[in-house]
Amino acid sequence: DAGITQSPRHKVTETGTPVTLRCHQTENHRYMYWYRQDPGHGLRLIHYSYGVKDTDKGEVSDGYSVSRSKTEDFLLTLESATSSQTSVYFCAISAARHSSSSYNSPLHFGNGTRLTVT
Amino acid sequence: DQQVKQNSPSLSVQEGRISILNCDYTNSMFDYFLWYKKYPAEGPTFLISISSIKDKNEDGRFTVFLNKSAKHLSLHIVPSQPGDSAVYFCAAKNAGNNRKLIWGLGTSLAVNP
Repeated sequence: DAGITQSPRHKVTETGTPVTLRCHQTENHRYMYWYRQDPGHGLRLIHYSYGVKDTDKGEVSDGYSVSRSKTEDFLLTLESATSSQTSVYFCAISAARHSSSSYNSPLHFGNGTRLTVT
Repeated sequence: DQQVKQNSPSLSVQEGRISILNCDYTNSMFDYFLWYKKYPAEGPTFLISISSIKDKNEDGRFTVFLNKSAKHLSLHIVPSQPGDSAVYFCAAKNAGNNRKLIWGLGTSLAVNP
């Protein structure tokens, strides 16, 4: 177990409401990621972070924002949820602590948050 | 446009036999490949990886083979066990974009006792 906790595990919300998903790690790893998994699309990167207050966009970042004010927490926010954001969201951390060794380090994933937007 | 393709959505094998999961890719810039296993209601778990400078990597019952000329890799599980029943994802990374993993859609493996 890589020490990653996602909360909540399940959430149902209405269209137009803000939603924040939390990822908490106990490993002190530098790199953290948010993915979504949808049928027919595999896993797609939303945003990632390479340090406190350092974040960047992934391939499907529209409609999402992130924040990382502490090494251990990476928050994903849907400012105004839409039905197209119904998905399973996974947080991941990189096993490497330093950028020079991070390239081939595998990701370790949390157990996901199932979000339904009605 | 799927750059990483797992053309078999599902596979069923008998316990003790070999499981072979296949993955094809289109981007010749990919230089690192990984296999992940996923159980229901859990996140993917890293299984094994291979660099493009190698053609084989082995870890216990799991072996990954890479054929760069064919842009094809495969995961062999020998012998297969019922606990191996899961969805297996192939993923690839290219040197020009090292933060981004490109994922296949997965193959669901069922190992029957």
